Amino acid sequence: GQQVMQIPQYQHVQEGEDFTTYCNSSTTLSNIQWYKQRPGGHPVFLIQLVKSGEVKKQKRLTFQFGEAKKNSSLHITATQTTDVGTYFCAGPGNTDKLIFGTGTRLQVFP
Amino acid sequence: NAGVMQNPRHLVRRRGQEARLRCSPMKGHSHVYWYRQLPEEGLKFMVYLQKENIIDESGMPKERFSAEFPKEGPSILRIQQVVRGDSAAYFCASSQSGLAKNIQYFGAGTRLSVL
Repeated sequence: GQQVMQIPQYQHVQEGEDFTTYCNSSTTLSNIQWYKQRPGGHPVFLIQLVKSGEVKKQKRLTFQFGEAKKNSSLHITATQTTDVGTYFCAGPGNTDKLIFGTGTRLQVFP
Repeated sequence: NAGVMQNPRHLVRRRGQEARLRCSPMKGHSHVYWYRQLPEEGLKFMVYLQKENIIDESGMPKERFSAEFPKEGPSILRIQQVVRGDSAAYFCASSQSGLAKNIQYFGAGTRLSVL
């Protein structure tokens, strides 16, 4: 079945360092969404990418959708302690449900 | 701000009891999704419902688990004869339509603990 994998599984960084998580789908995606889940919290929608090669920015966050629409990345510049959490990508599966990636857990040390 | 409401937030059950988890979608949303999350793991799709219809239940165990979304009232995820392995966080999400391009809004979740 369709799979969405993310690497790395965990990332520990010093505050101020950059962070990147990569998302790879076994199938071509019509769109990709990114969510953030704080420790003990629930997933919160961050952004959606639709076009091949699309790049979107939200302050220190840069999201990219691959040319083949099978991969995506999230890059955080100069991490802050408020960036701590797990970042999930998600792509549509059959019957229009979302298939969530395995997640990347980010820890930021002050 | 009437977001997705889940209750209870925490539920403790003994093995063999029944657990009922409720989810009221955002106003105007008619599509509900249930996910299970084990500690330190990702979100596993369980079931997708539209009012009075189950669209996709491919992620839900065949036995002991059932879900409904009646015409009136919240969506219910029901787990019969709970076992320790059912302990997890159960999240509900809703969207405006069933298209996968639509954003899903998540509730705060129900943390189920089975003793």
